[in-house]
Amino acid sequence: DTGVSQDPRHKITKRGQNVTFRCDPISEHNRLYWYRQTLGQGPEFLTYFQNEAQLEKSRLLSDRFSAERPKGSFSTLEIQRTEQGDSAMYLCASSLAGGPHEQYFGPGTRLTVT
Amino acid sequence: AQSVTQLGSHVSVSEGALVLLRCNYSSSVPPYLFWYVQYPNQGLQLLLKYTSAATLVKGINGFEAEFKKSETSFHLTKPSAHMSDAAEYFCAVRGSGTYKYIFGTGTRLKVLA
Repeated sequence: DTGVSQDPRHKITKRGQNVTFRCDPISEHNRLYWYRQTLGQGPEFLTYFQNEAQLEKSRLLSDRFSAERPKGSFSTLEIQRTEQGDSAMYLCASSLAGGPHEQYFGPGTRLTVT
Repeated sequence: AQSVTQLGSHVSVSEGALVLLRCNYSSSVPPYLFWYVQYPNQGLQLLLKYTSAATLVKGINGFEAEFKKSETSFHLTKPSAHMSDAAEYFCAVRGSGTYKYIFGTGTRLKVLA
């Protein structure tokens, strides 16, 4: 399978714990995006990487959230001190650079904070 | 700043009937516009995109959309609905000069037998 993969697919955690999600983009894609989707809403932009550089962050991304893409390949999204409001589907997407190329989405990681 | 409004969170059509899903955008620069479909428990899949070429864009599965600058609209249509079209549809905009894609709240399409 050469699509975007995300791990884990589901995560249940207790409030206050830290969680980390991983995204593996399509191999030749140098753009990578993270989104959050809650029930009844469209994906909300969180952050964007071109290669290893994080070029844009949403104001939604509080200081408890951090994302990395250390070698320009896979990316991780960490949430520290989780809150119940963090419960959502976290989506990763990748695309080619150089134009309005469409994004290819992974299946998402569903986070439940109890 | 860019924004997207999808009118109608739920739309029901009979099998074989016309599908019309509405999307209006706001953008201070010429936009790039996209329609995505999300089937249950699956990731979003691109249906079609507008990137300032032809104003009528054809996509997969018989869908098409027309960019109307005067109406700031990018409505999605399909002449004849099929049961397999039942899904959630999202309109998205990206302004030139930014990397951020803004998605609408989605329209859930139900196809009645």
